[in-house]
Amino acid sequence: KQEVTQIPAALSVPEGENLVLNCSFTDSAIYNLQWFRQDPGKGLTSLLLIQSSQREQTSGRLNASLDKSSGRSTLYIAASQPGDSATYLCAVISSNTGKLIFGQGTTLQVKP
Amino acid sequence: NAGVTQTPKFQVLKTGQSMTLQCAQDMNHNSMYWYRQDPGMGLRLIYYSASEGTTDKGEVPNGYNVSRLNKREFSLRLESAAPSQTSVYFCASREGLYTEAFFGQGTRLTVV
Repeated sequence: KQEVTQIPAALSVPEGENLVLNCSFTDSAIYNLQWFRQDPGKGLTSLLLIQSSQREQTSGRLNASLDKSSGRSTLYIAASQPGDSATYLCAVISSNTGKLIFGQGTTLQVKP
Repeated sequence: NAGVTQTPKFQVLKTGQSMTLQCAQDMNHNSMYWYRQDPGMGLRLIYYSASEGTTDKGEVPNGYNVSRLNKREFSLRLESAAPSQTSVYFCASREGLYTEAFFGQGTRLTVV
C-alpha cells in the first residue's frame, strides 16, 4: 500500500529565507508526483507536476525535485515571502492502482 | 474558466438524512476523484472514476456511493449521514494518469 509522508508538519521561517519541504513515498511505482498549495478554508492549487521520468521542475521561485528510486521529493522555495504562508501537499499517482494519494502536508508560516 | 465546480459549498444535515454532493468539470477530463479532508488526517480518497462508466473504491468508501453520470459529472451520495461524516469534501479531475489534477473549492458538510 502506497504511503506518503511529509516532514515537518509545520515550519516557521523569517521572510527572505530559502527553504525545503520534504515528501517521501513508500512505493516507487508511480506515474508522477504533484505539489499543491492550500490556503485556509480553500481548495487545492496545483504548483508543480513531475513525471516519473523527470528529475525536477521549476516554476518561478519554486523548484521541485524527484528521486523515484529512493522515494523522495523536495519542494524548494527561494526567497520566501509572507504570501507563501499556506499548507503544502504532495501527492503521487500510483502506477499499480491509478489512485492519487496525498501526504498530510506541511504548514508553512513566513514571518515579515 | 470554471474548472471543477462543486455544489453546495456548505451543508448541515441531521443524522440519518441523505444528500448528494455534485461535482462537474468542464475540461473534458477522463478521471475524477472524491476526497474528504479532516484535521490531522489529510486528504483521504473515498471513490474515484478512472474513466466514464467506471468507479472504484478508495481508502474510506464506507457510507458513500458514487455515480459517474457522464464524462463531466461525478456525484457523491450519503445515504444515511452520520456525525463521523462531518468533513470537507473535495472533488478533483485529471485528463489522464500523466497529467495534472485540478480540485474544486470544496463542500463543508456538518452532520448533527
